[in-house]
Amino acid sequence: DIQMTQSPSSLSASVGDRVTIICRASQSISRYLNWYQQKPGKAPKVVIYAASSLQSGVPSRFSGRGSGTEFTLIISSLQPEDSATYYCQESYSMGTFGQGTKVEVK
Amino acid sequence: QLQLQESGPGLVKPSETLSLTCTVSGDSMTSSSYYWGWIRQPPGKGLEWIGSIYYSGFTNYNPSLKTRVTISVDTAREQFSLRLTSVTVVDTAVYYCARHPRDWGSDNWFDPWGQGTLVTVSS
Repeated sequence: DIQMTQSPSSLSASVGDRVTIICRASQSISRYLNWYQQKPGKAPKVVIYAASSLQSGVPSRFSGRGSGTEFTLIISSLQPEDSATYYCQESYSMGTFGQGTKVEVK
Repeated sequence: QLQLQESGPGLVKPSETLSLTCTVSGDSMTSSSYYWGWIRQPPGKGLEWIGSIYYSGFTNYNPSLKTRVTISVDTAREQFSLRLTSVTVVDTAVYYCARHPRDWGSDNWFDPWGQGTLVTVSS
């Protein structure tokens, strides 16, 4: 089974900060990697699919990079509405999710 | 705009069967070649894919749950359903339904999602 590990588990940053979340896969998954945003009490929403493709309607401050086993989600200028938990997910094997990264906006 | 809505009992007794239905609206389940999946999230924890069904009836299950899971589709009613047998307290979770464009081993992501429904396993 593929294991997905995110770091950090949580972070706190100020409005306007650049935020980077890392997701590592236990084996190469090519570019089959998605990122989701989940706010409390709500269903997750995809923000990035196929490692770097921005989902329609998602602000351009979100971007994704990586291939193989290491991927990053970047929020270029953090906004208050970005406060959420972010999950990576591989689509190489059976859709395993990372454990999540909670982003708090100070 | 495609919408999905989960429905079913919010409380299930241990050893019994959990049954949920996802109703699709805003587009036909057979209008395009999509998969329809179930995902769950225990309270305060992460996400786990349970299984998916293609509109033709082909199914794919998470190996960790495969012996207990059945997913079926009723395209005439624009619904697909989840059955999870022999539930225990660890099956307590919010259950989501979602659409995805392809099978695993490709660019594949869940979008959109239903709002989710909490199922508690308790006597």
